[in-house]
Amino acid sequence: NAGVTQTPKFRVLKTGQSMTLLCAQDMNHEYMYWYRQDPGMGLRLIHYSVGEGTTAKGEVPDGYNVSRLKKQNFLLGLESAAPSQTSVYFCASRRTGVHDGYTFGSGTRLTVV
Amino acid sequence: EDKVVQSPLSLVVHEGDTVTLNCSYEVTNFRSLLWYKQEKKAPTFLFMLTSSGIEKKSGRLSSILDKKELFSILNITATQTGDSAIYLCAAKGYNTDKLIFGTGTRLQVFP
Repeated sequence: NAGVTQTPKFRVLKTGQSMTLLCAQDMNHEYMYWYRQDPGMGLRLIHYSVGEGTTAKGEVPDGYNVSRLKKQNFLLGLESAAPSQTSVYFCASRRTGVHDGYTFGSGTRLTVV
Repeated sequence: EDKVVQSPLSLVVHEGDTVTLNCSYEVTNFRSLLWYKQEKKAPTFLFMLTSSGIEKKSGRLSSILDKKELFSILNITATQTGDSAIYLCAAKGYNTDKLIFGTGTRLQVFP
């Protein structure tokens, strides 16, 4: 019973490099979300998706792109990483109509040097 | 702009103490308020509150919502070291797919 799986768990990037974070869920959830968590800032929404093939911007979308080509996967891309993107990234998913059923992944700790 | 504010930011107590964590919100067309506990990794769900004055309880944890004053509290009685965590409050409005999180309260319980 995997739930929400994020890969990788840790990554160090150099400024200007690109990478993709993968979020996979096996619960057939329609909604998927990417958050970043920084000290003293709580969780801030980057992008989200309400279903396969859809994406929408959250509070802090700049510098990130996302894709939801398959219902179970939600990818977060950094095209040109910056030190300000050093953070812990969390993916979450939920089923339509279940507003307390957010399931979070265990996070990806990204450091940009 | 929608926002959620938690206080205090940090709390240090001894085992057996009772603590109260606060969460105030300003959310358009408010629907629900959620509490999460975050230990080392993923936040885990504690409570969802939608109605004023109805206490939700789970063991030593309880929470209540006041929709008139726009706040919620999370109480933990007889704290244990295992309660040490960041407690996150989040609010959601109708007609939106987004949860707005507060900055969290870091609770440390010492033996």
